[in-house]
Amino acid sequence: DTEVTQTPKHLVMGMTNKKSLKCEQHMGHRAMYWYKQKAKKPPELMFVYSYEKLSINESVPSRFSPECPNSSLLNLHLHALQPEDSALYLCASSKPGQWARKLFFGSGTQLSVL
Amino acid sequence: AQSVTQPDIHITVSEGASLELRCNYSYGATPYLFWYVQSPGQGLQLLLKYFSGDTLVQGIKGFEAEFKRSQSSFNLRKPSVHWSDAAEYFCAVHSGGSNYKLTFGKGTLLTVNP
Repeated sequence: DTEVTQTPKHLVMGMTNKKSLKCEQHMGHRAMYWYKQKAKKPPELMFVYSYEKLSINESVPSRFSPECPNSSLLNLHLHALQPEDSALYLCASSKPGQWARKLFFGSGTQLSVL
Repeated sequence: AQSVTQPDIHITVSEGASLELRCNYSYGATPYLFWYVQSPGQGLQLLLKYFSGDTLVQGIKGFEAEFKRSQSSFNLRKPSVHWSDAAEYFCAVHSGGSNYKLTFGKGTLLTVNP
C-alpha cells in the first residue's frame, strides 16, 4: 500500500459548522503533514507531526486544529472557518529519516466555506 | 533563506513538441531539488529529484532535469509532450538535514494543444 488516502474529497461547510478532514496511510511513515493550497498557488505548509507529536505549526489560526491519534491517521478539525479558508487541503507523509525529501501526497480535500 | 523562481507562469506547447520548464533556486549550499506535477484538483506527484551525483536526472513519464550549479538552475525537459502532460508543474527545494520544509516555486501551468 503506497497511498495516502484523504476523506472526504469535497466538503462544503458554513461558517458556524464544525467538520473534520481525515488522512490515512499504511506505509509506516512517521511524519505527517497538512498543506493548504489556494487556486493557482503552491502548497503552503500548515502543520507537521513527527512520531505523533506536533513538530511544526506555521502560525495557523486556531480555527484549524490538527490531531494525530496514531501513526497511521491524521485529522484536521475545522471550526468557525472563514470564506477565505476555501482551498484544497493536502495531506502528505514521509518515512523516518527522509524528512521532507520524499513526500507522498494524498489527492486532497477541496473545501468550500460559505 | 532558500527560494525558488519559476519564471514562466503559463506555457503552451503542441502535442509532440519538446518542452522545457525553467526553475532557478537561491541557496548557499547544494540543495535538494525536486519537480512535482499536479493535475487539477489532485495531489502532487513527484516527477524526479536531484540530491547529488550525476547532474542529469531521469524521472517518471519520460521527464528529465539537469542541475546546473553555475546557473543555479534545475530545468525540466521532455522531448515529446503528450496531451496527458497538461498540468501544473512545481519546482521545489529542500535545504537538507533534519528539515520538514519544502520551498515551492509558484508553479508553471502547461497547456498542450492537439
